[in-house]
Amino acid sequence: NAGVTQTPKFRVLKTGQSMTLLCAQDMNHEYMYWYRQDPGMGLRLIHYSVGEGTTAKGEVPDGYNVSRLKKQNFLLGLESAAPSQTSVYFCASSTGGQVNEQYFGPGTRLTVT
Amino acid sequence: AQKITQTQPGMFVQEKEAVTLDCTYDTSDPSYGLFWYKQPSSGEMIFLIYQGSYDQQNATEGRYSLNFQKARKSANLVISASQLGDSAMYFCAMREINTGGFKTIFGAGTRLFVKA
Repeated sequence: NAGVTQTPKFRVLKTGQSMTLLCAQDMNHEYMYWYRQDPGMGLRLIHYSVGEGTTAKGEVPDGYNVSRLKKQNFLLGLESAAPSQTSVYFCASSTGGQVNEQYFGPGTRLTVT
Repeated sequence: AQKITQTQPGMFVQEKEAVTLDCTYDTSDPSYGLFWYKQPSSGEMIFLIYQGSYDQQNATEGRYSLNFQKARKSANLVISASQLGDSAMYFCAMREINTGGFKTIFGAGTRLFVKA
């Protein structure tokens, strides 16, 4: 099993450009999440999904959109990138059980200039 | 208000000694779960240990144990017999089961350095 994979691993954007980050999981998990990690701030939840076709806002959703058209994929979109979106982005998935520990992808380092 | 507080930005420990990483939390939800994750320099996040708010005993997983003091709202991670490979960032996290659904809130992290 590959677990949770993220594409791409690194990306540099200019202000105003758009891009999509792809997350894929092969564990048949219902729940998927997108986080951003900034120095000194831990992980902050951007959006999440509790099943195929569903999405919900997290703590810091502004400037991002998501889609979950297939159970195994969760896409994060930036329509008009801003320097404040420079961060490391992590995707995670979980079963939704009592413990609900999350399995994380390797991260995507995004720089917006 | 901060829901998860990790007051130690960095910690040093000698190899083979035990170390405690502090975590306090704030919630009014009586049903919650507490997690610790490890992030090595390679960047991936690794789940270490879980404690449910109704669990009577402290959770243990190998060299990791969670010192859960409910009245004090603390969930400290204890790593016994530290190894060089334990050098990493450690994050405490909480899920509020009734009020937060499947969302997990993370603390700012503690960076642990293990000295040879």
